[in-house]
Amino acid sequence: DIVMTQSPDSLAVSLGERATINCKSSQDVFSTTHNKESLAWYQQKPGQPPKLFIYWASMRESGVPDRFSGSGSGTDFTLSISSLQAEDVAIYYCQQYYNVPLTFGGGTRVEIK
Amino acid sequence: QVQLQQSGPGLVKPSQTLSLTCAISGDSVSSTNAAWNWIRQSPSGGLEWLGRTYYRSKWYYDYALSVKSRITINADTAKNQLSLHLNSVTPEDTAVYYCASGWALDYWGQGTLVTVSS
Repeated sequence: DIVMTQSPDSLAVSLGERATINCKSSQDVFSTTHNKESLAWYQQKPGQPPKLFIYWASMRESGVPDRFSGSGSGTDFTLSISSLQAEDVAIYYCQQYYNVPLTFGGGTRVEIK
Repeated sequence: QVQLQQSGPGLVKPSQTLSLTCAISGDSVSSTNAAWNWIRQSPSGGLEWLGRTYYRSKWYYDYALSVKSRITINADTAKNQLSLHLNSVTPEDTAVYYCASGWALDYWGQGTLVTVSS
């Protein structure tokens, strides 16, 4: 199984400041079929299912604000929030879909400082 | 816009079978572009993928090794829905269960809290 390791576990950032979440996979998740990294990011708020925010490591899902960006390649990936807003308080998860079993990181809780 | 509507009991006794249904609208369960997954989230928050099915001229099934001996995922093309059956449940199977579509999981059901308790 591909192990996904997120850091930090939690993060407190001032409104308007940048938040950065890291995700490391235990093996490369580059899809030669699609020529892309098989890595997704989700936002989850209490009582709701996770919501897809980023796929193919850097593609924003429709409706996701452009202050969210994904980057990385190989085994190291990053989700950045350029200017944290109150509505961004949530838990964020990375996930690989390179192979089965699909696996998730442990989550990063983002809060307002 | 795909919508997934889950149904099923919220309480299951130990050793019995957990059964959930996911009704699909906006897409077909037998679409050759889709995949249909079951995921659960433990009370501590961790997300665990349980399995998936998809249709590419025939049905394919993938299951997590942790539940492979106990899980069955079915696609009902007449009702356009997905089902999950997990037998011989224990309290460790207590979780919120989700159905979700895709490989990057783009649409999710609302979640069903299933408690395993006598």
